[in-house]
Amino acid sequence: QITLKESGPTVVRPTQTLTLTCTFSGFSLTTTGVGVAWIRQPPGKALEWLALIYWDDDKRFSPSLKSRLTITKDTSRNFVVLTMTNMDPVDTATYYCAHLRSSGYDYWGQGTLVTVSS
Amino acid sequence: QTVVTQEPSLTVSPGGTVTLTCASSTGAVTSAYYPNWFQQKPGQAPRSLIYSTSNKQSWTPARFSGSLLGGEAALTLSGVQPEDEAEYYCLLYYAGAWVFGGGTKLTVL
Repeated sequence: QITLKESGPTVVRPTQTLTLTCTFSGFSLTTTGVGVAWIRQPPGKALEWLALIYWDDDKRFSPSLKSRLTITKDTSRNFVVLTMTNMDPVDTATYYCAHLRSSGYDYWGQGTLVTVSS
Repeated sequence: QTVVTQEPSLTVSPGGTVTLTCASSTGAVTSAYYPNWFQQKPGQAPRSLIYSTSNKQSWTPARFSGSLLGGEAALTLSGVQPEDEAEYYCLLYYAGAWVFGGGTKLTVL
């Protein structure tokens, strides 16, 4: 059974760096073809794809946010970390992580709401 | 900047059939865009329905189907149920990165 869970601060100040952790179970991020992605959703708005890390450590980013994002993995402890620099109130959103396999994002975490406010 | 466009809203009667579409600003959507479709209900995380154009997840009801139609990705619901009322999002692959559509709010009325 695959599960993912996001964790991190609920509030960050403008200009600070956000660090989110996706802790997963039921799969290995060393398995060929597997990836873990981050997606966000501002309140009342659409989903936005942010970043993806593959089993072979290949990393992909949204072009519009690439300069602000970092994604890393720890395959022995089963987690993926996303950092986003220079946070702004428009970055207020629910942040999700999701499992990618065979070009499908099949399992998602429950999401974590991050509010950017001074 | 790549834009993925979906109908903002659609209404369907119970038992009816409706098709949601997903268009790309770069041109025709093909299987190389690996279209994914998700359903999201209020207060819940998105749930995967379709991947790689037409492949269903093990939990996807048979009434949902994915296809390519007229240069767009499409999600068809046949025999719509009241519980299908939700927001639906498509997701397309662009040479390494992925882009979501703006979502379609489906009302069952």
